[in-house]
Amino acid sequence: QKEVEQDPGPLSVPEGAIVSLNCTYSNSAFQYFMWYRQYSRKGPELLMYTYSSGNKEDGRFTAQVDKSSKYISLFIRDSQPSDSATYLCAMSAEGNNRLAFGKGNQVVVIP
Amino acid sequence: DTGVSQDPRHKITKRGQNVTFRCDPISEHNRLYWYRQTLGQGPEFLTYFQNEAQLEKSRLLSDRFSAERPKGSFSTLEIQRTEQGDSAMYLCASSYKRGWGKTQYFGPGTRLLVL
Repeated sequence: QKEVEQDPGPLSVPEGAIVSLNCTYSNSAFQYFMWYRQYSRKGPELLMYTYSSGNKEDGRFTAQVDKSSKYISLFIRDSQPSDSATYLCAMSAEGNNRLAFGKGNQVVVIP
Repeated sequence: DTGVSQDPRHKITKRGQNVTFRCDPISEHNRLYWYRQTLGQGPEFLTYFQNEAQLEKSRLLSDRFSAERPKGSFSTLEIQRTEQGDSAMYLCASSYKRGWGKTQYFGPGTRLLVL
């Protein structure tokens, strides 16, 4: 079993819809949780980060962490064609410098 | 632009050749990371530097791979005797020790194709 599981999709939604993405993980030591956006043939771009459990909102993006279920989510409201990209979840443990990534979830927002 | 930069952006080489990639981190960042990403997968950790010291290496980093960060600024990743399985995107990231040091910022990557 991989440390971080993420359904690679692809996920197609109409413009304006809510995009819901999630990851599960097995390592209970993970405390730091991030979402990255990666456009084709580009490096990952940090979108959101959270520490431990809870919600965080930034504009159209909301990140949720449920440590009891080892489950994290990213919601994108009012999706735009420019949101079409691969979304990667990443996480790390206290005192550990490496990020463990999911496979990435390809999202296509149809105009 | 003050982001992480990587050079070259693309590299095509023949099996058995050596290649070297360079990463310039964000100037005030003292931590630097190398990751490898293959098609359809998330990045996989290779190695980590704090200033000039290489503090962690993944089992993925075979003896053919070597990374350096002289003077704690830019870093190089060298692959000797390349194999077709080395074909991947090599990503560099940097972060700052203080504050939310887990926040890693990635460069655009170097895409390697080994023929």
